[in-house]
Amino acid sequence: NAGVTQTPKFQVLKTGQSMTLQCAQDMNHNSMYWYRQDPGMGLRLIYYSASEGTTDKGEVPNGYNVSRLNKREFSLRLESAAPSQTSVYFCATTQTDTIRSRTFGSGTRLTVV
Amino acid sequence: AQSVTQLDSHVSVSEGTPVLLRCNYSSSYSPSLFWYVQHPNKGLQLLLKYTSAATLVKGINGFEAEFKKSETSFHLTKPSAHMSDAAEYFCVVVAGTALIFGKGTTLSVSS
Repeated sequence: NAGVTQTPKFQVLKTGQSMTLQCAQDMNHNSMYWYRQDPGMGLRLIYYSASEGTTDKGEVPNGYNVSRLNKREFSLRLESAAPSQTSVYFCATTQTDTIRSRTFGSGTRLTVV
Repeated sequence: AQSVTQLDSHVSVSEGTPVLLRCNYSSSYSPSLFWYVQHPNKGLQLLLKYTSAATLVKGINGFEAEFKKSETSFHLTKPSAHMSDAAEYFCVVVAGTALIFGKGTTLSVSS
């Protein structure tokens, strides 16, 4: 099925470990986003990429880095995980960075102990 | 600055009764607004969107929302709740290139 694929679906890390969350889309969308979802907080934007080769900080970028590897893939990296980064992470895409709804992946549930 | 406030963190209804999920927005210009739904352990799915066309917007699964500029509201309604409607619902306003999410309303449906 066409859509947004996130891997892994679940991950447990120890404090200080690093990992990369992967996101791939096959809809030929230009813009890609990473959000984190915390209880009672809604979704908050971490980073986004308006087009291949560009990335920009969102609302909560600290502790994260991103790479827009190509048009299809947008990865999120935690260099030194902290318990405060325990969250559910969602990748999303849209055709252009305009007033359009996003198509979301199914999420990655990350626990940092 | 744009913002959105979901007035209820939790709404409980009985199956077959109407659903009302309330959302107020703040925007310095004519906003674009969405409602998303998230079922347990699932991603987010777009229910409906308002982009300055008709003020009454119909979405999927029988949901609709009415944009009321005078009240700065965009409440989500459904005439008759179904058990499968139990989920978390997010009201979203567009702010430039970003989406601003409300904190969510959990809808519980009892039989």
